Amino acid sequence: KAGVTQTPRYLIKTRGQQVTLSCSPISGHRSVSWYQQTPGQGLQFLFEYFSETQRNKGNFPGRFSGRQFSNSRSEMNVSTLELGDSALYLCASSLETGNEKLFFGSGTQLSVL
Amino acid sequence: GESVGLHLPTLSVQEGDNSIINCAYSNSASDYFIWYKQESGKGPQFIIDIRSNMDKRQGQRVTVLLNKTVKHLSLQIAATQPGDSAVYFCADGVGSGNTGKLIFGQGTTLQVKP
Repeated sequence: KAGVTQTPRYLIKTRGQQVTLSCSPISGHRSVSWYQQTPGQGLQFLFEYFSETQRNKGNFPGRFSGRQFSNSRSEMNVSTLELGDSALYLCASSLETGNEKLFFGSGTQLSVL
Repeated sequence: GESVGLHLPTLSVQEGDNSIINCAYSNSASDYFIWYKQESGKGPQFIIDIRSNMDKRQGQRVTVLLNKTVKHLSLQIAATQPGDSAVYFCADGVGSGNTGKLIFGQGTTLQVKP
């Protein structure tokens, strides 16, 4: 079974731009969560989607948004990029409950210049 | 709010020795915990999980111990190998209903000396 797939692997953007990251969950997994990982803050929860609906949200500004498609694939978008948005963005999938046995992808490394 | 802390940021062990990585959590209502391993350039990899109705759970070369009285859990790795070198995170499932959200500790870097 293929794991969680995230694209692209690396991204370089400039301040003020927007970016879209993509995630394909493990086949059969219906819950997709997104996390931001930085050296200073560690791993922080962004949001979780299930059946195309945002089911839970972390403490991030509205510039961070996401969506889920009918095939469970998910995208997250960051608008008006700031230098502090430079991070590894990780997607995780799980069967249904959403916070049990999350399986992570390798992440998208975003650098904002 | 909830928090998860690890006792040591770095642990250095000799190949073949046993490793013990500790973690403390703050939320008494937490009922599910996961240990992850993260290697350089990769996402966190699921190692083992445990529910609050258990004190101990064993996997292949790994054992997780949960002490709810003092809100502490540990990951024991038997016969540590060079391939075990990575950052290890404990994560708190913060109770049922809080879907998708795990509270992660800051991580312990395990260094295995040959």
